[in-house]
Amino acid sequence: GNSVTQMEGPVTLSEEAFLTINCTYTATGYPSLFWYVQYPGEGLQLLLKATKADDKGSNKGFEATYRKETTSFHLEKGSVQVSDSAVYFCALRLGQGAQKLVFGQGTRLTINP
Amino acid sequence: GAVVSQHPSRVICKSGTSVKIECRSLDFQATTMFWYRQFPKQSLMLMATSNEGSKATYEQGVEKDKFLINHASLTLSTLTVTSAHPEDSSFYICSAREVTVYNEQFFGPGTRLTVL
Repeated sequence: GNSVTQMEGPVTLSEEAFLTINCTYTATGYPSLFWYVQYPGEGLQLLLKATKADDKGSNKGFEATYRKETTSFHLEKGSVQVSDSAVYFCALRLGQGAQKLVFGQGTRLTINP
Repeated sequence: GAVVSQHPSRVICKSGTSVKIECRSLDFQATTMFWYRQFPKQSLMLMATSNEGSKATYEQGVEKDKFLINHASLTLSTLTVTSAHPEDSSFYICSAREVTVYNEQFFGPGTRLTVL
């Protein structure tokens, strides 16, 4: 089946630290991959995406590269801020015409000043 | 980005009653909306796909008579939890697909349902 596995949280870092949140997937076919962020009290927001192998998605200093050989889409940021504290979800969607998203379990990130 | 709202944000009800949750796309029309359920510290699980003007498509294991979905207009989908029980307590999140500019799903802020 199709599934997404994320690094278990919670993750706590100091401001300006380097962040990696691991995400691996299992999929039949060639999925598009996404990272969503959920700030406290808000809905999910699309952070970045990649639609094919070796694509790099980036936004707000976050990056993730679609690695087909390792079926991974790890989220990275070079220097985190307190405002990055949120829950991060990795997700996949099968095919361009498909609509269903399959989510990982989410990783809670807390950044301390 | 496009904006999706949900109402109410929190609801507490007695066991056996029905609860309606609204999902609205505020600045775009959505022929397709989605309803998710999120348990504490767990992932979002897709419950059903709501299509404007037609019946919803439910995921395997989701009781369609328990979770009634109506998508009567291009900006509104409703989820009604019928004869709610404590095990239905959860966080319900909707999303709407915007196809004109972004071709992506945009999520509502969620509704926390507590059944006593």
